[in-house]
Amino acid sequence: KAGVTQTPRYLIKTRGQQVTLSCSPISGHRSVSWYQQTPGQGLQFLFEYFSETQRNKGNFPGRFSGRQFSNSRSEMNVSTLELGDSALYLCASSPAPGSYGYTFGSGTRLTVV
Amino acid sequence: EDQVTQSPEALRLQEGESSSLNCSYTVSGLRGLFWYRQDPGKGPEFLFTLYSAGEEKEKERLKATLTKKESFLHITAPKPEDSATYLCAVQATGTYKYIFGTGTRLKVLA
Repeated sequence: KAGVTQTPRYLIKTRGQQVTLSCSPISGHRSVSWYQQTPGQGLQFLFEYFSETQRNKGNFPGRFSGRQFSNSRSEMNVSTLELGDSALYLCASSPAPGSYGYTFGSGTRLTVV
Repeated sequence: EDQVTQSPEALRLQEGESSSLNCSYTVSGLRGLFWYRQDPGKGPEFLFTLYSAGEEKEKERLKATLTKKESFLHITAPKPEDSATYLCAVQATGTYKYIFGTGTRLKVLA
């Protein structure tokens, strides 16, 4: 059974550019959540999608956005990148919203220079 | 404000030396408390979910317990392969988002 797949694994971008990260959840999982992980802040919730609808959003600026497609795959976009956006971006899937344990992907390591 | 605090930040144990990791939480209403393990360069791996005070879950050398204010992850006779960062997260009622602690970095020496 394939796990959560995130692409790309590593990314280097320049300040001011934009970036799109992709996440394919486990087959049958319809809920996808995104987290930012940094050494100082730990895992911070970005947003959650279910059935193509954003159900929850964390305290991040509007430069961070996302979407979910009908096949449950999800993308997140960060526009006008800042140095502080350098982080590990983790995608997690679960069968549906609820008290399920997430299955996380290995993440996309974004470095902004 | 909902909050999760984990202690200690880092822990070094000799192989076979049992210990406990702590997760203290403040949440308006608890839907669930979760433990994850994270290895370097990888995403967190789900370990346990606890829902109510007094509940316990076990898996191999790990045992998680829950009270109304905190959770403990007990590690019995650890092995070097148990070395990882252990993360605690809570899910508050009325929302499905998780609030994570910053983790405990565990190193088990052979």
